[in-house]
Amino acid sequence: QQQVKQSPQSLIVQKGGISIINCAYENTAFDYFPWYQQFPGKGPALLIAIRPDVSEKKEGRFTISFNKSAKQFSLHIMDSQPGDSATYFCAAPHSGPFGNEKLTFGTGTRLTIIP
Amino acid sequence: DARVTQTPRHKVTEMGQEVTMRCQPILGHNTVFWYRQTMMQGLELLAYFRNRAPLDDSGMPKDRFSAEMPDATLATLKIQPSEPRDSAVYFCASGLVAGSTDTQYFGPGTRLTVL
Repeated sequence: QQQVKQSPQSLIVQKGGISIINCAYENTAFDYFPWYQQFPGKGPALLIAIRPDVSEKKEGRFTISFNKSAKQFSLHIMDSQPGDSATYFCAAPHSGPFGNEKLTFGTGTRLTIIP
Repeated sequence: DARVTQTPRHKVTEMGQEVTMRCQPILGHNTVFWYRQTMMQGLELLAYFRNRAPLDDSGMPKDRFSAEMPDATLATLKIQPSEPRDSAVYFCASGLVAGSTDTQYFGPGTRLTVL
């Protein structure tokens, strides 16, 4: 059984600031760690994912930093905008025969960007 | 714009009644997931299918829940009998598990309230 610990539970950031959300996972034989973004009343949508043959992946204002030895990865949102206000979930694959598709999700971080 | 569709979007029912939720995955996707989202438990995987065959339903209460894929364009999740603790948002997601593609595309969810 995979466990993923996500923090903080909620986060308020000023517009233009940097939002940082952290996740820690347990042992896994698989290397795929996605972040999903969910707006109220909508289903989660993939935001960015990393395969940790690299320690960092950047897509626009969103960056994943990965520390394999510490079993931790984090999402950084640069120049945070009000439109980024949403709930963010990290996820990690289960160990076992299922491959990367069986994910355990973190508990979510509700991000609010204030003007 | 291909997307996962779910019906109904909202369902209010009384304890003991049967509830059926439907999902149409994205055409061509070979994997379908059912998740349940609550404030207390977060996003939990209930079951998933590959090429219409159940791969894992270990997250699903077997005594009252059942999941099927009658054909490639329809997945169903049934609760019989329903209980107040089943109140949650149920998401269907689909994906194409092939090579390095692991993205799960979520539907808008069915918000279930059991009175």
